[in-house]
Amino acid sequence: DQQVKQNSPSLSVQEGRISILNCDYTNSMFDYFLWYKKYPAEGPTFLISISSIKDKNEDGRFTVFLNKSAKHLSLHIVPSQPGDSAVYFCAASAQGAQKLVFGQGTRLTINP
Amino acid sequence: GAGVSQSPSNKVTEKGKDVELRCDPISGHTALYWYRQSLGQGLEFLIYFQGNSAPDKSGLPSDRFSAERTGGSVSTLTIQRTQQEDSAVYLCASSPRGRGTGNHGYTFGSGTRLTVV
Repeated sequence: DQQVKQNSPSLSVQEGRISILNCDYTNSMFDYFLWYKKYPAEGPTFLISISSIKDKNEDGRFTVFLNKSAKHLSLHIVPSQPGDSAVYFCAASAQGAQKLVFGQGTRLTINP
Repeated sequence: GAGVSQSPSNKVTEKGKDVELRCDPISGHTALYWYRQSLGQGLEFLIYFQGNSAPDKSGLPSDRFSAERTGGSVSTLTIQRTQQEDSAVYLCASSPRGRGTGNHGYTFGSGTRLTVV
């Protein structure tokens, strides 16, 4: 039962353009969402988060949007840079639960 | 230490052998998590510790897997009688309070790449 789904295994974007990574979830009890970025041979690093009381959170070039009715969140990176090439995981947790549930990841490649 | 430290970084073992993977979390972080990432898969939750106790072991795939945490710090994940399907990257993470809340979520280590041959 995949509660958090990233349906695009890979995405290729030209440098300077906007990258949009998508994530869907099924558990309506999730109330906190995060994005992590992972380079090869390294652990995932926290990127940005959003609470369910918000629909948008912005941090520099990164913006996360949450659509609770659609159970969908997205990460926008603009402008995209070569260093953004990595695997991006979305994750979610439910009130009262202690673990994060992760999606399968999307490999983002930024082309010069 | 400054980050979450895991050892070894790589481990190759023969099928049927036991292995121990170690995680040293950030000092003062009470919550510790083990995840694994199999080839082409997402991060699969294994177990969560709060202090020395493990209130959530729901992700351990079989009774060959066990974990302990001593002194509220270092944790060891043990896999007995390893099988080829155990091959994966095993990731440890810690956080100050659990649930990855706050602005920074979990802090992950670099992982142990386990290969069972």
